[in-house]
Amino acid sequence: EPEVTQTPSHQVTQMGQEVILRCVPISNHLYFYWYRQILGQKVEFLVSFYNNEISEKSEIFDDQFSVERPDGSNFTLKIRSTKLEDSAMYFCASSVKGSGTQYFGPGTRLLVL
Amino acid sequence: DQQVKQNSPSLSVQEGRISILNCDYTNSMFDYFLWYKKYPAEGPTFLISISSIKDKNEDGRFTVFLNKSAKHLSLHIVPSQPGDSAVYFCAASANGGTSYGKLTFGQGTILTVHP
Repeated sequence: EPEVTQTPSHQVTQMGQEVILRCVPISNHLYFYWYRQILGQKVEFLVSFYNNEISEKSEIFDDQFSVERPDGSNFTLKIRSTKLEDSAMYFCASSVKGSGTQYFGPGTRLLVL
Repeated sequence: DQQVKQNSPSLSVQEGRISILNCDYTNSMFDYFLWYKKYPAEGPTFLISISSIKDKNEDGRFTVFLNKSAKHLSLHIVPSQPGDSAVYFCAASANGGTSYGKLTFGQGTILTVHP
């Protein structure tokens, strides 16, 4: 069964460093998403992406964040200068259509020291 | 952001009995609702969904009920099995206008099914 994959599974970085989280969505899906879950809190929407551009973003997704689909398979989330409060599980998701069911990857646990 | 609320942090059920997980929402623009199951250190796994034009959707042991007038949905698991023990998240989306696909999640309910 097709699934969303994410790399790395864990990332430890120093505050102020740049990180890139990678995702491979399900191959026939057209809509891509990033969410995050800070420990003990809700899963929060960050950004949606369709047709090579951002469809919607939350207030969390400020200028330090960017997304890219560099080729036909990968979808990346970049945090330019990490802060302590960026420590969280980051989930990638994809769906066939914008209003459809989203399938999530296993997540990347990011720890900013 | 309290648009989706799961008021029960935990639920404990005996194997073979029914599990009922509840979810309330406040945004009347939500038109698609989903339930996800999550194990620690894993991503949410899709279970079942329902569109706002329906009031019930069934898939094997899982049934979701939607009461739009009460802005309430519930997930029924019958019969419950120990392998169902996990965190269950309710999520909702409002599709149209400037919003398309963004999921708003509840806080989650920890379900424990005892053998």
